[in-house]
Amino acid sequence: QKEVEQDPGPLSVPEGAIVSLNCTYSNSAFQYFMWYRQYSRKGPELLMYTYSSGNKEDGRFTAQVDKSSKYISLFIRDSQPSDSATYLCAMSSPNYGGSQGNLIFGKGTKLSVKP
Amino acid sequence: GAVVSQHPSWVICKSGTSVKIECRSLDFQATTMFWYRQFPKQSLMLMATSNEGSKATYEQGVEKDKFLINHASLTLSTLTVTSAHPEDSSFYICSAKLAAETQYFGPGTRLLVL
Repeated sequence: QKEVEQDPGPLSVPEGAIVSLNCTYSNSAFQYFMWYRQYSRKGPELLMYTYSSGNKEDGRFTAQVDKSSKYISLFIRDSQPSDSATYLCAMSSPNYGGSQGNLIFGKGTKLSVKP
Repeated sequence: GAVVSQHPSWVICKSGTSVKIECRSLDFQATTMFWYRQFPKQSLMLMATSNEGSKATYEQGVEKDKFLINHASLTLSTLTVTSAHPEDSSFYICSAKLAAETQYFGPGTRLLVL
């Protein structure tokens, strides 16, 4: 079993729809959870950062972490064509692999929002 | 804040030449930077962890003599692809660690080796 599982999609939705993106993980030591957005031929952009369980909201974006289920989600409300990108979940723990904060990424979900 | 730049944004070179890619944290100091490569339609693959003032830590399977990393200051890390070959063609992305476990990424450098 891979440490982080993420459905690669593609996911296509109409403009204005609510988008739900998810990742599951197997390592219970993960404490930090992030969502990155990557446009084609660009570097990932940090969207949301959450420590431990709970919800975090920022504008149209809401991140949820359920550590008991080892499941994280990103919700996008009122989706826009400009939200079309690949969304990567990432997670880490302070001493993962003895390193200084290595991130473990999901494979990314490609989202397309149609006007 | 938390801006990371990379230079160049793209480079084309002949097989056998060396290419240097710079990664800079513009508005913060980063004792730790990371180098990734990404093939089309695939996720990021960590190549190495770059620590200011010390040797880089390479991931398994990454040749340290081929991918030279130097982290000479708190705002600059460089990756040099030595004797590049066509199979080294890829998208190289750096990131800098700001706080806790958060990483901010540069815009990436697209390398094409002919």
